[in-house]
Amino acid sequence: ETGVTQTPRHLVMGMTNKKSLKCEQHLGHNAMYWYKQSAKKPLELMFVYNFKEQTENNSVPSRFSPECPNSSHLFLHLHTLQPEDSALYLCASSQERGTGGYNEQFFGPGTRLTVL
Amino acid sequence: GQSLEQPSEVTAVEGAIVQINCTYQTSGFYGLSWYQQHDGGAPTFLSYNALDGLEETGRFSSFLSRSDSYGYLLLQELQMKDSASYFCAVRDNTDKLIFGTGTRLQVFP
Repeated sequence: ETGVTQTPRHLVMGMTNKKSLKCEQHLGHNAMYWYKQSAKKPLELMFVYNFKEQTENNSVPSRFSPECPNSSHLFLHLHTLQPEDSALYLCASSQERGTGGYNEQFFGPGTRLTVL
Repeated sequence: GQSLEQPSEVTAVEGAIVQINCTYQTSGFYGLSWYQQHDGGAPTFLSYNALDGLEETGRFSSFLSRSDSYGYLLLQELQMKDSASYFCAVRDNTDKLIFGTGTRLQVFP
C-alpha cells in the first residue's frame, strides 16, 4: 500500500457515458497528479494540482475534466470518450518543496479503463 | 523534444546481475529517478540521483552521469520477485517528471 487509493479499479464504458474516477491520498501531500499509461508508451502526465490549484494541463482533450475539491481528493470526470482513451489511469501525490527540490511521487494502483 | 530511452526488455536468471540503461534528452535536468511497476500494480519509487555517481540501496544501485545524459539501474542477486517493469524519469526544469517507456525485466529460475 502506497497511501494512495483509486476507485474503481476497473471501468468499462460506452462512448456516450459519463463516469468519474476517484483518487484519495492519505499522506498529507500538497500535490496530486493524473497520468495516463498506455501499452508501449511512457506514462503521460495529464494534470497537476498544487495546493488544490491546477498548475498543469498537458494539452488534454476537454472530454477529460479534473476536479480537486481539497488536497486529499482528486477526480477525473469522463464524458464522450473514444476507444483510444482506453488505458490505465494512474493518480499520484507528492510533497512539493519548491523548484528543484526532490519530491518522490507515490502512485495509486490505477483504474483500468476500457471504452467500447 | 524531450525523450528518455531505455531497452524494452531484459532477461536474466536468479542470482545474476542486470543493468538497465537510460539516456535522456530533456529541457533542463534536476535529477533522475527510477520506479518499479509489477504487472497490475502501481509504480513505486526506487531511487533518485541528483549528482553524478553511484547510489546504493541494498541490492539496487543507481548511477548518474550528467555530462553524458546517462544513468543506469543495477540490480544484484536477482530474485524472481524482481520481475517487473522499470522506468527511469527525469525531473525537468518545470518540475515535471518525464518518464521513459520502461524496461520489462524477466527473471528466470
